[in-house]
Amino acid sequence: AQSVTQLGSHVSVSEGALVLLRCNYSSSVPPYLFWYVQYPNQGLQLLLKYTSAATLVKGINGFEAEFKKSETSFHLTKPSAHMSDAAEYFCAVSAPGSRRALTFGSGTRLQVQP
Amino acid sequence: GAGVSQSPSNKVTEKGKDVELRCDPISGHTALYWYRQRLGQGLEFLIYFQGNSAPDKSGLPSDRFSAERTGESVSTLTIQRTQQEDSAVYLCASSEGGGLTDTQYFGPGTRLTVL
Repeated sequence: AQSVTQLGSHVSVSEGALVLLRCNYSSSVPPYLFWYVQYPNQGLQLLLKYTSAATLVKGINGFEAEFKKSETSFHLTKPSAHMSDAAEYFCAVSAPGSRRALTFGSGTRLQVQP
Repeated sequence: GAGVSQSPSNKVTEKGKDVELRCDPISGHTALYWYRQRLGQGLEFLIYFQGNSAPDKSGLPSDRFSAERTGESVSTLTIQRTQQEDSAVYLCASSEGGGLTDTQYFGPGTRLTVL
């Protein structure tokens, strides 16, 4: 079975500052990793995914994440935060041999201060 | 094109009543998933449908929960004899083929409140 841990249920940054949202996974086989974003009163939207090709994955809205096997991490970053980035972010994992549904972390709420 | 839709968007019910939640997936998507999101928590898997295969029900929390899907279209999630701990947002997602790397597209959810 696999699991995901998101450190920090709330993260606050200033507009223009670096965004770093942490995700660590546990999996006995090479995993596939996803970041989803949930804006207020909206459904989840895929930001990016790692599917065992390039370890640095670029997504929408300027976000990127790097798969680091040695650290079992898949942290999400953005060089410069915008007010519109305020939302809840979820890291998720799937893996061969497991059920088809995603296993989600508990989420990180990002606040962007003007 | 049209995304995943869910109805109702909000449902308030009394403890002990049955509720039915509906999901319309993206046309042509063979895989459909139901998740539950409790306040301040991540998503919990409930059930997965893939084409005509037997559904994966391993996430259903009790026998009060059941779900059906008609072919590769609409799905309904039924909760019988609702309890207060069933209060949550119920999210539906669909994907093109159900593969482990396929993107899941989520609906806006149904917020269920059990009084």
